[in-house]
Amino acid sequence: DTEVTQTPKHLVMGMTNKKSLKCEQHMGHRAMYWYKQKAKKPPELMFVYSYEKLSINESVPSRFSPECPNSSLLNLHLHALQPEDSALYLCASSQAPGGGYNEQFFGPGTRLTVL
Amino acid sequence: DQQVKQNSPSLSVQEGRISILNCDYTNSMFDYFLWYKKYPAEGPTFLISISSIKDKNEDGRFTVFLNKSAKHLSLHIVPSQPGDSAVYFCAASAKENTDKLIFGTGTRLQVFP
Repeated sequence: DTEVTQTPKHLVMGMTNKKSLKCEQHMGHRAMYWYKQKAKKPPELMFVYSYEKLSINESVPSRFSPECPNSSLLNLHLHALQPEDSALYLCASSQAPGGGYNEQFFGPGTRLTVL
Repeated sequence: DQQVKQNSPSLSVQEGRISILNCDYTNSMFDYFLWYKKYPAEGPTFLISISSIKDKNEDGRFTVFLNKSAKHLSLHIVPSQPGDSAVYFCAASAKENTDKLIFGTGTRLQVFP
């Protein structure tokens, strides 16, 4: 199984809602990543988890809260988002930390719209 | 400040011909470079990579060339096939932060019959 799955595929939420994005991999990978991609822009790294511990937070606003409950799962909790947070949120995993030097496997993304 | 740039937003190539996608970078600390390909409604998939100690890496129809002095790399696809039509992202990383991948803006390749 060389797949990273993400749910939901699409999410529409209001600025006062709380929602979560979910990412799962069963490849035994020990590093997992959240990226944000706006239209016609490159993916931008948000968070990195290495061995289930947060290793990188790219100065992401606290309305985004990541969680890694176990080595296969990665969540992104969303609260009080702004319309400018509307984007494609991509999850990725790699066999080991050092994801810049290892192949990262990406999920299909969650298309988020904040109204 | 875009550290990795792909100046051609799109490229159109006839089937069977060579596709050349270009990428420039500004950070001299980058020492590992990767190409990813992205189809609509899918996540990026890894294609090929190159370390800064090399100037060429080949994998089947895909070859990546690195010119460190010019801070330039290119991806050659030969022969191009219609299934190669996708968005191609160049990405780079540095030893000082091996978890962080910096992506370029992407080039949309269209291969027509």
